[in-house]
Amino acid sequence: SAVISQKPSRDICQRGTSLTIQCQVDSQVTMMFWYRQQPGQSLTLIATANQGSEATYESGFVIDKFPISRPNLTFSTLTVSNMSPEDSSIYLCSVRGFSNYEQYFGPGTRLTVT
Amino acid sequence: GIQVEQSPPDLILQEGANSTLRCNFSDSVNNLQWFHQNPWGQLINLFYIPSGTKQNGRLSATTVATERYSLLYISSSQTTDSGVYFCAVGGEGGNEKLTFGTGTRLTIIP
Repeated sequence: SAVISQKPSRDICQRGTSLTIQCQVDSQVTMMFWYRQQPGQSLTLIATANQGSEATYESGFVIDKFPISRPNLTFSTLTVSNMSPEDSSIYLCSVRGFSNYEQYFGPGTRLTVT
Repeated sequence: GIQVEQSPPDLILQEGANSTLRCNFSDSVNNLQWFHQNPWGQLINLFYIPSGTKQNGRLSATTVATERYSLLYISSSQTTDSGVYFCAVGGEGGNEKLTFGTGTRLTIIP
């Protein structure tokens, strides 16, 4: 399975600011995804990060609020823009490899917006 | 979109007990995975099981795709099994996206 790291692991931010979360994988992967997990809830897919092109966003999520980059097959970033307390969540990077359909998750970024 | 319901929502057991967690989904799927989220938040992939039965140590899973459900069995529970168990499904046509279920929170008491 892939080894996935995320930076930062946690942060406390003020409303109105932006935070960029990095996701690094130790091997090339086909698919990279970004999920949000609000306190006590299940996971919700934000978008699929596409290498070299615009991300594919799920209903309810827009590029202006959650811009995503994926410059190569091992790295992606998610920015949470103009934050409000409702953005306080765990943000998780997930990947799928070339050889199977299993998905693996990074350790997550715990974001608190005050 | 596809709906994924898990039961029970909460389960408290003594160490050594066995348990069965259920996942029901509302439409045909070609991808089903079980995950364990430990108390520190890390998600671990337990099984990729769109159909059939698999076993890994004390854990096993069965998916009956035609009846749209999957079961996760945990035998001889240990305190390290505590956490939240999620079922996630992907639809037909090579859909890569996973829709996560509501989760089952398992607490194992020593």
